[in-house]
Amino acid sequence: SQTIHQWPATLVQPVGSPLSLECTVEGTSNPNLYWYRQAAGRGLQLLFYSVGIGQISSEVPQNLSASRPQDRQFILSSKKLLLSDSGFYLCAYHRVRTEAFFGQGTRLTVV
Amino acid sequence: GQQVMQIPQYQHVQEGEDFTTYCNSSTTLSNIQWYKQRPGGHPVFLIQLVKSGEVKKQKRLTFQFGEAKKNSSLHITATQTTDVGTYFCAGGGSGTSYGKLTFGQGTILTVHP
Repeated sequence: SQTIHQWPATLVQPVGSPLSLECTVEGTSNPNLYWYRQAAGRGLQLLFYSVGIGQISSEVPQNLSASRPQDRQFILSSKKLLLSDSGFYLCAYHRVRTEAFFGQGTRLTVV
Repeated sequence: GQQVMQIPQYQHVQEGEDFTTYCNSSTTLSNIQWYKQRPGGHPVFLIQLVKSGEVKKQKRLTFQFGEAKKNSSLHITATQTTDVGTYFCAGGGSGTSYGKLTFGQGTILTVHP
């Protein structure tokens, strides 16, 4: 069966510190992978998506970056966090014309 | 690029009232999907519509896909407190956007007992 792992579940980081969130997928190959951010009580903001290894499309210019070093691994990073980076980060994957599966999410608080 | 607009952003209803959320795409979609996110949780897949004019039902939930495959709606009959959450539509791209899933901003549903 297909599963998606995302960690950590919660994270408190000081302003200016680096960030690395990891997402891995099991049970499927060549998935489309996505990083979303959700502010409290708001919708899903698409940050990055990837259709293959090393292929990253950025939807919103900001101080975040993403990488896909392996087919089933998607990493969200920042060199220096801002207060505005706080939010609920969700990793998701799907194959063409099938449902999307979301990870449990990481609740990031930048202090 | 492909954009999916969803309205309303918020909806407050009394238990037993009906609820509808609407989704509109700037481009023709290959499919439309609907998700529900409970408070504190992550979005969970509800259903996918593929055919023009398609209508599907899940108990009190009715999903429609427009004839032009550019709009969709989710209707809940006689809401219950368990329906509370955020409902998202997601459009599957066609043409040069084929394979990409674009989410609407979601409708936050509050049900008062």
